This record gives sequence, structure tokens and C-alpha cells, in this order.
Amino acid sequence: AQSVTQLGSHVSVSEGALVLLRCNYSSSVPPYLFWYVQYPNQGLQLLLKYTSAATLVKGINGFEAEFKKSETSFHLTKPSAHMSDAAEYFCAVSKASGGSYIPTFGRGTSLIVHP
Amino acid sequence: NAGVTQTPKFQVLKTGQSMTLQCAQDMNHNSMYWYRQDPGMGLRLIYYSASEGTTDKGEVPNGYNVSRLNKREFSLRLESAAPSQTSVYFCATEGARYEQYFGPGTRLTVT
Repeated sequence: AQSVTQLGSHVSVSEGALVLLRCNYSSSVPPYLFWYVQYPNQGLQLLLKYTSAATLVKGINGFEAEFKKSETSFHLTKPSAHMSDAAEYFCAVSKASGGSYIPTFGRGTSLIVHP
Repeated sequence: NAGVTQTPKFQVLKTGQSMTLQCAQDMNHNSMYWYRQDPGMGLRLIYYSASEGTTDKGEVPNGYNVSRLNKREFSLRLESAAPSQTSVYFCATEGARYEQYFGPGTRLTVT
């Protein structure tokens, strides 16, 4: 079964600092890869997605992620953190299984931004 | 367009009671999903429906049933609620590139 590992349940940065949230997946075939963001008391929103086009994917709010097949990684970055980026971030993979694409989510990383 | 809607937003049940969580979408998507979210566990798939008339078990189906009433609606039923089912429940649909669109969630407490 495929799995998604997000390193660090909490990441703390200062406002203006680089944001790096790590995601590794286990799959022999490159799946579809996603990052979602969840603000308090809301559902998840799509941040960006990799679907086998460019390996560097740009998303909303200045976030981007790079697909590295050799490292089976899809880390999320943002050059300069803003207070409004404080939220829970989830990495997810979607892979074909019996004719359907079944998503698997990581356990999430809570991003804390200090002034 | 409302996207994905869920009712109710909050619910408190006593152990053994039953209830149905409702989900509706106006995005014309074929696939719909039910997840539960617990602290430190991420989202876990309960059931999904790849198309109208089909449903399949996910990772944690025990204690739940689902109905895909039509293309728009996908309901989740708890026949006999247990405290272990205290959670936040999310319904989602799947877009053309396998991305998920989520509803606002139902916060369920079982006492």
C-alpha cells in the first residue's frame, strides 16, 4: 500500500523566513501528488498539484513544490512566511487502484509563524 | 455555486444513537468520498463512491454505511454511535485531475 510521510508534526518559523515542509511518499510508480492547506475550523483547500508535467509546481499564496523522483519527495516551500500562512498542511498522493484513484493523506504538519 | 455542502455542522449523540450525515455537490463530479479527521492522524478514508450506484470501503469502514443517492448526494450513516466515532467528518469530490474538493465538515461528539 502506498504511504505518505510528513516529517515534523509542527514547524515553527519567523515571519519573513523560508518555509520548508517535507513530504515523502512510497510508490514504485510516480503517483499524482498534492498539497492541501486547512485553516482552523475549515475544510481542506488545494494548494498545488503535480500531475506528471513540470517537476516544479507553483501553487496559490506563493507556495511551490518540487517533485524529485529519485528521492520520492515532494517538499513544499515558500521563500518568505507570512502570519496568514499559519495553518495545517497535508501532503497527499493519489494512485490507481482497481480502476479508481484512491487518495492517501499524510498526518499533517502544523505551521506556526512567529512575528 | 455552493461547491460541496455538508449538514449538520455540529452534532452530539449518545452512545447507541443513529444519525445520517448529508453531503451534496453541484460540481458535477463523479467520485465522492467520506473521511474522518482525528488529531495527529490526518484524514482517513471511510468510504468512497466512484460513480452513481457504486460504493467501496476505504481504510476505516467499520461502524459506517453509505448511500450514493444520485450523482449529487452521498450520505454517511452511523447505525449505533460509539465514543470512538467522535471526530470531524469531511465529504469531498474528485476533480478531473484527481484533486479533492472538500466540504466544511461535520463535528460529531458521541458521549
